[in-house]
Amino acid sequence: DAGVIQSPRHEVTEMGQEVTLRCKPISGHDYLFWYRQTMMRGLELLIYFNNNVPIDDSGMPEDRFSAKMPNASFSTLKIQPSEPRDSAVYFCASSGGRTPNQPQHFGDGTRLSIL
Amino acid sequence: SQQGEEDPQALSIQEGENATMNCSYKTSINNLQWYRQNSGRGLVHLILIRSNEREKHSGRLRVTLDTSKKSSSLLITASRAADTASYFCATDGEDSNYQLIWGAGTKLIIKP
Repeated sequence: DAGVIQSPRHEVTEMGQEVTLRCKPISGHDYLFWYRQTMMRGLELLIYFNNNVPIDDSGMPEDRFSAKMPNASFSTLKIQPSEPRDSAVYFCASSGGRTPNQPQHFGDGTRLSIL
Repeated sequence: SQQGEEDPQALSIQEGENATMNCSYKTSINNLQWYRQNSGRGLVHLILIRSNEREKHSGRLRVTLDTSKKSSSLLITASRAADTASYFCATDGEDSNYQLIWGAGTKLIIKP
């Protein structure tokens, strides 16, 4: 079975550019999570969706960040404009079940470097 | 604030030895989960233990949960080089609306 698929795996771009990260969750999973991982702050939940609806976006750092889930098989995380402090590994994860505390399946992440 | 905090932050042992990592948390939980992260990869779910369970096994993994002490331990027996990874615990605190809250992880190095 295909797991969670993220693209691109690596992204290097200049400050001020728009960045779009993509995620395809596991089919049938109702929950989708976006995380950011850095050495300094560890793993941070940015936003999560249930049945394509954003439930909690309190972890989104600023208005420069936005996330969408137009359908059950696709989600995007956008940063516009990007800044060097946005450099991190961004993970998408999905899970099944009725509540968001069930085991999560992670993609291999997008390593983002903003110059 | 972090719900789960792993201890130690880093652990280096010889292949074949047992590795024990601990996780402490602050509020009541429904379940506690352990994940592994290999370098450059995403997290992989290892085991889930519910608040009414005290111990669970999966292969060479043994997880215990002490709700009175608000702590859990992950034991890896007969460690292998392939167990080298970071290990994270995640809990759903009573105030978190079932959201998982993550610890900072324990970096485990198995020396051949």
